[in-house]
Order: sequence, then C-alpha cells, then structure tokens
Amino acid sequence: EIVLTQSPGTLSLSPGESATLSCRASQSVSSIYLAWYQQKPGQAPRLLIYSASSRAVGISDRFSGSGSGTDFTLTISRLEPEDFAVYYCKQYGGSLYTFGQGTKLEIK
Amino acid sequence: QVQLVQSEAEVKKPGASVKVSCKASGYSFINYGFTWVRQAPGQGLECMGWISAYNGNTNYAQKVQGRVTMTTDSSTSTAYMELRSLTTDDTAIYYCTRGPYYYDRGGNQHYYYYGMDVWGQGTTVTVSS
Repeated sequence: EIVLTQSPGTLSLSPGESATLSCRASQSVSSIYLAWYQQKPGQAPRLLIYSASSRAVGISDRFSGSGSGTDFTLTISRLEPEDFAVYYCKQYGGSLYTFGQGTKLEIK
Repeated sequence: QVQLVQSEAEVKKPGASVKVSCKASGYSFINYGFTWVRQAPGQGLECMGWISAYNGNTNYAQKVQGRVTMTTDSSTSTAYMELRSLTTDDTAIYYCTRGPYYYDRGGNQHYYYYGMDVWGQGTTVTVSS
C-alpha cells in the first residue's frame, strides 16, 4: 500500500502570503491518480486539484498543483481568509484510494 | 445539480450494526461507482472501499473487510454502507462520494479522473455503551 506523507503538519501564515504544501509518496504514483482536497470544519472535503495539476471546476487560479513520481506540491498564492483549512492529498493505487494525514493551514 | 444526500445521524451500542444510505440525484446513477470514506473525531480521512453502481463489484479496505457490506439500489438511486460488530473505534463521520470508476454506454470501466468530486453531507455514527 502506498503511504502518503504530508508536510508540514501545520502551516501558520498571514493573508496575502503564499503557502506551499508537500505530499510525498512511499513509492512512485502516477500523476493522473494524485489529487488535493480542502476541508473546512463541519464540512465535507472539496476537490481542488486532480491529476496532480488540473484545477477542478470553480476552483480559483490561486490554487496550483505540481509534481511527479513521489513528490507533489500544492501551492496557494495570495492567501485569503477562506483558504485557512485542512488540506489532504490523495492517490489511487489501483484498488483503493489512500489519503495523506493532512496539513492544517492556520492564520498566523 | 449533482447531489448526494445521506441518512441522518445514528447512535449505536457496541456489537450492533449500522446502515448508512446515500441518495444520488442529478446524474446517471449506474454510470459511476461510490466510495465510502470515514473520519474519526479530529482525525484524517480513511477510505473504506468502493462499489460499482453498474455491476455491483466491490473492493473493501482490509481494516473493515469482513464487517462491511456496500450495496446499491438503482431503482431508488441509492447506495448503502452497512458496518457490523461496531466498536467505539467506529465512531466517525461517514461520507459517500463518487468514484473511482465511471462506466460508458458499453459498460466499459474507466478511471474517473475527477473522482470524489461530489460528496454527501456526512452521517455521524456514534458507538457508545
């Protein structure tokens, strides 16, 4: 089973700054199977990025994904108050999805 | 619009079973699979498995294998997840979501790149004596 490790666990930034969130896989992951989600308290997760770098419908262009192989990155530019949430990466290993443990983006 | 609406919260005693429903609307039910995800209090997301609404094929996570059954009813566009022999460790919010596959008109299975694009609102299951 592929394990996804996200870093940092918590990221403290101010509105207007940029955030860089990392997702590292225990073995190579095809980019088409790598996605990122945002979850706010009391809400279901929301798809942000699929296939490592494609934005889902309605997602701001301030969100961008990149990476390949075992290292993937979610970048959020010009942070806005509504961006502070927990972010998960997810991969599909051919049988089941697995998630990273999440990165909490909090207001500094 | 595409929507998944789940059943209400449940409180169960250890050893009991729970069955959560997920009613789909706004798209062709049988053309997608359903994945069930749970989230224990203050914890991350855990995939429990998936079911094809097209042919009923399932794949369950090892952690719940033997205790979980996922089914679908195309007549009501509803997916179900039943979990048996509950313990306090099963206390969580249970979500249904779309994916990982879609099925074309010929019944061919394709990976759904936008998988987990739509989520139910979540069903809280509390297991307590």
